[in-house]
Amino acid sequence: QKEVEQNSGPLSVPEGAIASLNCTYSDRVSQSFFWYRQYSGKSPELIMSIYSNGDKEDGRFTAQLNKASQYVSLLIRDSQPSDSATYLCAANSGGSNYKLTFGKGTLLTVNP
Amino acid sequence: DAGVTQSPTHLIKTRGQHVTLRCSPISGHKSVSWYQQVLGQGPQFIFQYYEKEERGRGNFPDRFSARQFPNYSSELNVNALLLGDSALYLCASSQVRGPYNEQFFGPGTRLTVL
Repeated sequence: QKEVEQNSGPLSVPEGAIASLNCTYSDRVSQSFFWYRQYSGKSPELIMSIYSNGDKEDGRFTAQLNKASQYVSLLIRDSQPSDSATYLCAANSGGSNYKLTFGKGTLLTVNP
Repeated sequence: DAGVTQSPTHLIKTRGQHVTLRCSPISGHKSVSWYQQVLGQGPQFIFQYYEKEERGRGNFPDRFSARQFPNYSSELNVNALLLGDSALYLCASSQVRGPYNEQFFGPGTRLTVL
């Protein structure tokens, strides 16, 4: 069973702090990884994609990938209350259908 | 540009009934995938369609079926509804098909089975 694991949280950080979200995956052939943000009652919104080992930065968000350790992370700098949401990690499972396998998500709360 | 659209937004059905959910992808996107998300879980892959052909199927019973039309819109059909089919059904579109393609979700259809 190919899996993506995330700490369910909740992760609570003060406003202005760095939030660190982590994810591990079991399928070594996974080639691409995605972070989605999902507000309560809404659908997932793509915020970051990463394909190569190392860091990828986009505004306040930095995604990190370590394929040897099968580990993906998302850092949110200068966290804002509006960042409070569930963050879903997803891996493209490769094979013939390129489906996304999701973790259960980590609930982040940013306290003013 | 319009994003992915889905209809209806909400739906209430009773056990044993049939339901059809609809999705229109982002303009220019040729691939549509369907996911089921139950409360507290991440989305689970149901189907992927590309160029009107089924390209992948998740671990769902044959009660679930789908199709893609020439304009790349898609329908998901679920027969003989069970209480456990209550979930948020998400449609995701991507430009083409491949491991590096980003998938963008629509607002979802929330299905309640009574």
